[in-house]
Amino acid sequence: DQQVKQNSPSLSVQEGRISILNCDYTNSMFDYFLWYKKYPAEGPTFLISISSIKDKNEDGRFTVFLNKSAKHLSLHIVPSQPGDSAVYFCAALYALNFGKGTSLLVTP
Amino acid sequence: KAGVTQTPRYLIKTRGQQVTLSCSPISGHRSVSWYQQTPGQGLQFLFEYFSETQRNKGNFPGRFSGRQFSNSRSEMNVSTLELGDSALYLCASSLDAGLTIYFGEGSWLTVV
Repeated sequence: DQQVKQNSPSLSVQEGRISILNCDYTNSMFDYFLWYKKYPAEGPTFLISISSIKDKNEDGRFTVFLNKSAKHLSLHIVPSQPGDSAVYFCAALYALNFGKGTSLLVTP
Repeated sequence: KAGVTQTPRYLIKTRGQQVTLSCSPISGHRSVSWYQQTPGQGLQFLFEYFSETQRNKGNFPGRFSGRQFSNSRSEMNVSTLELGDSALYLCASSLDAGLTIYFGEGSWLTVV
């Protein structure tokens, strides 16, 4: 049973525009959330995280928003760049339940 | 410092065989977790070890097992391989669960 869901398997955004990747979870016990980026044939790399005591965390072009009441988090990338084209996974702690990933394609 | 190292990087096995994959965590990291990635399935959690003890386990059959040594290095073993076991197996380490984790490049297993 998937406790972390990424319902959009793919997303295409033009360079310079905003990319919004969404993630929903079902377990209200999760209290720490992470986003990972994965390029083909490589392992995922940590991108940004957020604790449940916050509703927003920003790191450069990347911002993660958390809506605990809706059990929803989103990753915003502004402005999007072609190098951001990758698969993005959201994860929730403790047992690191991963969503199935969203493949982002940023077109020039 | 050196990252998470996984060996072998690529291997091919036949159905019914068993395989052992190795993971050397970042120096000082005591938590090692294993994941399986197959096309269309995303990452699925296998298990997590901390100080030689399995602390968490995902929903995989008993054919999948692991262990951790006193130097925090970890191995995972898959017995009686099936075609569906073909996947990228990723290992990750962290100082402890709940903290930033670092992934290795993975071991690509193909079962024929």
